[in-house]
Amino acid sequence: EAQVTQNPRYLITVTGKKLTVTCSQNMNHEYMSWYRQDPGLGLRQIYYSMNVEVTDKGDVPEGYKVSRKEKRNFPLILESPSPNQTSLYFCASSRIRWQEVHGYTFGSGTRLTVV
Amino acid sequence: GDSVTQMEGPVTLSEEAFLTINCTYTATGYPSLFWYVQYPGEGLQLLLKATKADDKGSNKGFEATYRKETTSFHLEKGSVQVSDSAVYFCALTSGAGSYQLTFGKGTKLSVIP
Repeated sequence: EAQVTQNPRYLITVTGKKLTVTCSQNMNHEYMSWYRQDPGLGLRQIYYSMNVEVTDKGDVPEGYKVSRKEKRNFPLILESPSPNQTSLYFCASSRIRWQEVHGYTFGSGTRLTVV
Repeated sequence: GDSVTQMEGPVTLSEEAFLTINCTYTATGYPSLFWYVQYPGEGLQLLLKATKADDKGSNKGFEATYRKETTSFHLEKGSVQVSDSAVYFCALTSGAGSYQLTFGKGTKLSVIP
């Protein structure tokens, strides 16, 4: 089954304790992205990657890191989490083809609480 | 920059009622337009899309027409069901090599029996 898999689904952590949220896709998609979803603000892009070893900032990158060492994986790293990073996080992927438009496939989400 | 504006929710309808969720956009170039749906506790799923003016996207009884003259992409369904209760997001990519999706804030729909 074609899917984007995020882990964990739920995470409660303390301020300053480094954490990683994993994201993996099995569709050989070139494009991967992380979003956070907050009430009243909708979805905002954190980082994206056009291909292996190619990453770039989205609209709200502060406090986050990413890496793209393999095509299928795109982990989100919070080196020193703070309470304002409490949110629902989504990973998404998409094909890239010249002059073709493809929608994203989303993971099921990771609900992060930083206390 | 690009932006998407959706009608504020929540929207509550009775089963079999007609649904319209308004969406307007601002974008440079020739954007592609999308509607995504998020069911409770799940990620977003692509509902329908349209890639050029006057295109109509449709899926599961939902429809939306890309109107360049009014910069709109309103979502409609003739007869909603309880199972349509979800949050609906309008989104766009601006094209010209950009793959970033810009989302509206979402509209929560509740359908009551």
